[in-house]
Amino acid sequence: KQEVTQIPAALSVPEGENLVLNCSFTDSAIYNLQWFRQDPGKGLTSLLLIQSSQREQTSGRLNASLDKSSGRSTLYIAASQPGDSATYLCAVDTGGFKTIFGAGTRLFVKA
Amino acid sequence: EPEVTQTPSHQVTQMGQEVILRCVPISNHLYFYWYRQILGQKVEFLVSFYNNEISEKSEIFDDQFSVERPDGSNFTLKIRSTKLEDSAMYFCASNGSPTEQYFGPGTRLTVT
Repeated sequence: KQEVTQIPAALSVPEGENLVLNCSFTDSAIYNLQWFRQDPGKGLTSLLLIQSSQREQTSGRLNASLDKSSGRSTLYIAASQPGDSATYLCAVDTGGFKTIFGAGTRLFVKA
Repeated sequence: EPEVTQTPSHQVTQMGQEVILRCVPISNHLYFYWYRQILGQKVEFLVSFYNNEISEKSEIFDDQFSVERPDGSNFTLKIRSTKLEDSAMYFCASNGSPTEQYFGPGTRLTVT
């Protein structure tokens, strides 16, 4: 049974700092991995999608990497801003039309 | 930019009542999903739907739940005989192929 874990559960950083969020999964047989952002009481906004054959994806200040064999992904946020404050979710598509989410990392960026 | 929409944004119902949550996926998408998120907990997969039938469902998705695509645009989740523990945010998502999923804003269901 696929399980997804995100570390740390919460993170507080000063504005401008670079940071890394971690996601691990127990079964390496994944179809893709997606990173989302969730603001309090809101829906999920897709940030980056990495296909199982890819190693990384970049969008603006965000970079996501995938190491399938070790069951890990990281989301790197460069030059963090207060507007980046949100919960970041990692989700693994098992390839059977089923997506498993981690519990998320709550990020607070202090101005 | 096309988006997934959901109605209502908030539904309050009494225990034992039936509710129908509605979603309009992005128009050219073929794969549809329902998830729920109990307050303070993980987003949990409920069901996926493709080609007018269920592709995959979780252990949460028991006989109390059903999904339907009644026409070319709507995708619904019906919960029969709601329980207190069904109180959660329910998210609909869609994608055009099994890749990036786009989520709706959610329906907050409160069962009293």
